[in-house]
Amino acid sequence: DTGVSQDPRHKITKRGQNVTFRCDPISEHNRLYWYRQTLGQGPEFLTYFQNEAQLEKSRLLSDRFSAERPKGSFSTLEIQRTEQGDSAMYLCASSLSDSDQPQHFGDGTRLSIL
Amino acid sequence: QKEVEQDPGPLSVPEGAIVSLNCTYSNSAFQYFMWYRQYSRKGPELLMYTYSSGNKEDGRFTAQVDKSSKYISLFIRDSQPSDSATYLCAMKEGGQGFSFIFGKGTRLLVKP
Repeated sequence: DTGVSQDPRHKITKRGQNVTFRCDPISEHNRLYWYRQTLGQGPEFLTYFQNEAQLEKSRLLSDRFSAERPKGSFSTLEIQRTEQGDSAMYLCASSLSDSDQPQHFGDGTRLSIL
Repeated sequence: QKEVEQDPGPLSVPEGAIVSLNCTYSNSAFQYFMWYRQYSRKGPELLMYTYSSGNKEDGRFTAQVDKSSKYISLFIRDSQPSDSATYLCAMKEGGQGFSFIFGKGTRLLVKP
């Protein structure tokens, strides 16, 4: 399978705990995006990387959220001190570096906060 | 007014029907238009990708863009129960802008 891979598929944690998700993009894709999707809504942009550089962050990305892509390949999204409102599907997408190329999504990590 | 409007449905049709899904938008700078299909508990899957106005056909799917009316459509011919999913439209401005704006999605149910 050469698509976008996300791990874990489902994470259940208690409020206040830290969680980390991983995304492996399509190998030749330079751009990597993180989105959040809640029930009945479309994906909402969080942040994106061009290679290892984080070029944009949404105002949705509070100080408790941090994303990295240290070698320009896989990326991690960490949420510190999780809150009930963080419960959502976290989607990763990747695309070629041409800014007009469409994004290809992984199957997401579903986060449930107890 | 939200940037992208999409009727959430659900839209229920019998198998074999022609399905019409639509989005309206307010930003005249949008130039790239996409349709994604999303099954329950899965990520969005790219179906169609079009630039500017006009039609694009791929198998049973046809995407239409009318920039003058700020209206895009996805038609599905000979709909199948396996087409039952949520369909998301997405749009992007031209140039170096990276951010895709998604609609909320329309839930489609094709009954056998």
